[in-house]
Amino acid sequence: ETGVTQTPRHLVMGMTNKKSLKCEQHLGHNAMYWYKQSAKKPLELMFVYSLEERVENNSVPSRFSPECPNSSHLFLHLHTLQPEDSALYLCASSQEGQGLEKLFFGSGTQLSVL
Amino acid sequence: GEDVEQSLFLSVREGDSSVINCTYTDSSSTYLYWYKQEPGAGLQLLTYIFSNMDMKQDQRLTVLLNKKDKHLSLRIADTQTGDSAIYFCADRSNDYKLSFGAGTTVTVRA
Repeated sequence: ETGVTQTPRHLVMGMTNKKSLKCEQHLGHNAMYWYKQSAKKPLELMFVYSLEERVENNSVPSRFSPECPNSSHLFLHLHTLQPEDSALYLCASSQEGQGLEKLFFGSGTQLSVL
Repeated sequence: GEDVEQSLFLSVREGDSSVINCTYTDSSSTYLYWYKQEPGAGLQLLTYIFSNMDMKQDQRLTVLLNKKDKHLSLRIADTQTGDSAIYFCADRSNDYKLSFGAGTTVTVRA
């Protein structure tokens, strides 16, 4: 148990659907992240929230929309996705302000876009 | 983001040592990390090294850092079947971001 919980574990959606991924951290951290993991590619940082403010948006298409209502919860809203968006989406949290940045990851949501 | 590169696959016999290599480009890296991802799970921090160190040993794990060549390696002694996983190298520069490689899939064969 890493203290970071992601739901759902698996998601299959059509290109016209709207769905949301949810992440919750129980570690009292002040930063949360969305990463995209595709086979044979570097882990891709999508969004970073620090103290509930979005501080990073790495040129992610607008069909991905993050939301951080409080420091414990993070959502990724999905709409009109493309098949190439199929991947494992990982949420992570950390306590910023320390020299050693330790990320704690959830188990991910395996997304398939048909 | 900064580039972190690592080989994609490594096959090793049980009981042998595994060596996973990584190169990075960011000369301002302060910490370098190794994360492990077991099947169906997220990444877990395995070990890390501060950029002013050359080596760090932690039980079966040895991390070597060559800052001049921007080369990081992870050696796992007496590799066991439970070590089969994907290993990610990551570096952190002076900002808060971690840059990850694509991961090395280590397969331990009997």
